[in-house]
Amino acid sequence: GAVVSQHPSRVICKSGTSVKIECRSLDFQATTMFWYRQFPKQSLMLMATSNEGSKATYEQGVEKDKFLINHASLTLSTLTVTSAHPEDSSFYICSASLPRQETQYFGPGTRLLVL
Amino acid sequence: DAKTTQPNSMESNEEEPVHLPCNHSTISGTDYIHWYRQLPSQGPEYVIHGLTSNVNNRMASLAIAEDRKSSTLILHRATLRDAAVYYCILSGSNYQLIWGAGTKLIIKP
Repeated sequence: GAVVSQHPSRVICKSGTSVKIECRSLDFQATTMFWYRQFPKQSLMLMATSNEGSKATYEQGVEKDKFLINHASLTLSTLTVTSAHPEDSSFYICSASLPRQETQYFGPGTRLLVL
Repeated sequence: DAKTTQPNSMESNEEEPVHLPCNHSTISGTDYIHWYRQLPSQGPEYVIHGLTSNVNNRMASLAIAEDRKSSTLILHRATLRDAAVYYCILSGSNYQLIWGAGTKLIIKP
């Protein structure tokens, strides 16, 4: 149980376009979802915390107008990278947790390459 | 700002136990200790977590020091599939996980 999926698994786009990444909890309802970014040979960096039905809370240094997060249902959160640039190329990972539980379950990640 | 300290890398032989240490001297009373692992180009995988008492599950054991300022993840019999980066993480009341650099575990056949 506790499976999280992400789509797409990898995407290549041109500079200036927008890219949407979906994160789904397949067998549980997740009141909280988290979005991370990971650059090569580095650790995960938390971008934002998303609670169903409310605005996401962004970490310091993460532009909320560039990284749009929508958590419209208990099983789906989306991250849209707007006007993507080559420096946005990274591995984006989402996770989901059960209500009032510590454990996070991670998706397989989305590799974004901006040309 | 990572609140945990781990060795950069460790090596172990296949089919032998592995003890991965983690220091968290600034841990607060409500922080849980989590361990996750990550294979290249994959999302992290939950391994184990605990608060005060030692914990066991099918993947590993977690030994927590009495003062909670350190912990050890124990893989009882390492296989090649256990080669990964292992992260020791503290979580607070907001359930956020702040990731450190982790320990790269190398398993030698």
